[in-house]
Amino acid sequence: GIQVEQSPPDLILQEGANSTLRCNFSDSVNNLQWFHQNPWGQLINLFYIPSGTKQNGRLSATTVATERYSLLYISSSQTTDSGVYFCAGRSYNTDKLIFGTGTRLQVFP
Amino acid sequence: DAGVIQSPRHEVTEMGQEVTLRCKPISGHNSLFWYRQTMMRGLELLIYFNNNVPIDDSGMPEDRFSAKMPNASFSTLKIQPSEPRDSAVYFCASSTLGAGGEQYFGPGTRLTVT
Repeated sequence: GIQVEQSPPDLILQEGANSTLRCNFSDSVNNLQWFHQNPWGQLINLFYIPSGTKQNGRLSATTVATERYSLLYISSSQTTDSGVYFCAGRSYNTDKLIFGTGTRLQVFP
Repeated sequence: DAGVIQSPRHEVTEMGQEVTLRCKPISGHNSLFWYRQTMMRGLELLIYFNNNVPIDDSGMPEDRFSAKMPNASFSTLKIQPSEPRDSAVYFCASSTLGAGGEQYFGPGTRLTVT
C-alpha cells in the first residue's frame, strides 16, 4: 500500500504567522484529503483535493498529483488553528484512506 | 444534514467485559469505515463496508473484535472480551461509494478499559 509522509512533525508559531505543511505520497492517489484534529479530538474536513488548488478563508491547499505531494497553507494563524493536521490518500485499487502521522501545530498569542 | 453519529461518546469498562460501539453514517453514504486512534499507532483502519457488506477486515486486531452492518443506517463494533490495550478512541466514518468519495468522521468514542 501507499506510504504517506508529513512534514514537519511539529510546528510552533506565533499568532499572525504563515505556515506550509507538506504531504508526500509513495504512489499515485485518486483521493486526497486534509483534516484538522482539534484539541477536543474531533476530525474536521478541511479539503478534498486530489489535484489542483482550493482555498477556504485563511487556508488553501495545492496537490500536484504527478509529483505525488500536497501542500496545506495556513495564513495569519490564530490560536484556534492549534491541533494536529492530517493528510490522507487513497490509491486507485482500494477504498482505504491511508493517513500520515500528522503535523502538530501550536499557535501562541 | 446530521453528520456521522457515534455512541457512546465515552465508555469506561473493566477488563473482560463486552463493549459495543455504535455508528450511524450520513444518509445516502454507502461506505462505512471503523478506525482506531492511539498515541503509539496513530489512526488505523480496522474494517470497512460497502453497501453493508464487509470488504476488508484486515485491520481488525484479533478475534475479540467484530463488526456488523445490518442495514444502511447502522453499524456496530464489538469487543469481547475487552482488554486494557484496547483503550483508544474509535472513529466511524462514511462516504459515498467509489473512488471519489470524501470521508466524513464522527466525533469518536473514547474507550477506557481498566
